[in-house]
Amino acid sequence: SAVISQKPSRDICQRGTSLTIQCQVDSQVTMMFWYRQQPGQSLTLIATANQGSEATYESGFVIDKFPISRPNLTFSTLTVSNMSPEDSSIYLCSVGAGNYGYTFGSGTRLTVV
Amino acid sequence: ILNVEQSPQSLHVQEGDSTNFTCSFPSSNFYALHWYRWETAKSPEALFVMTLNGDEKKKGRISATLNTKEGYSYLYIKGSQPEDSATYLCAYSGGSNYKLTFGKGTLLTVNP
Repeated sequence: SAVISQKPSRDICQRGTSLTIQCQVDSQVTMMFWYRQQPGQSLTLIATANQGSEATYESGFVIDKFPISRPNLTFSTLTVSNMSPEDSSIYLCSVGAGNYGYTFGSGTRLTVV
Repeated sequence: ILNVEQSPQSLHVQEGDSTNFTCSFPSSNFYALHWYRWETAKSPEALFVMTLNGDEKKKGRISATLNTKEGYSYLYIKGSQPEDSATYLCAYSGGSNYKLTFGKGTLLTVNP
């Protein structure tokens, strides 16, 4: 299965600033997924990133708040823009599907103060 | 809105105990049910992907069953060890959709 390197692993940010999270995969993949887990909540899909097209966002998530780049088949970034304390979460990228399940990055633990 | 419920929310057991958790999900439009183990500061790790009603899967001391008609899955751990301490997540996908809807997880703590 694929191996994903996700950075940063954690950060503490001031409200109103932006943070860009990167995921690098060791193989080419068509779809990459970005998830968020707020404290006490389920892991929730933010968007699906396909190379060469705009990301597809889930209900409740918008491009202005969570812009995503997918410049090639092994890399993607998620930016959390104009952060507020409610954005404090664990953010995860993911690839894969089918009978073997998904592979996840190790997560970015974000605290907004 | 899809609802995936896991119970219990948390569980403390002694080393050597066997335990099980429940995941309930919509029984309509079922495609697959995933189980993941998520240890603190690590990536969620896929345990099982189950697609057929009556499926039973096993990986070492961990096994899972699936009932798609009534919409539930059980995860069993036999002879729990401290290294089994983690959050266990289930996730449902409907139709041919690749999107996963996760439950909130069951946090297992195994005391030595």
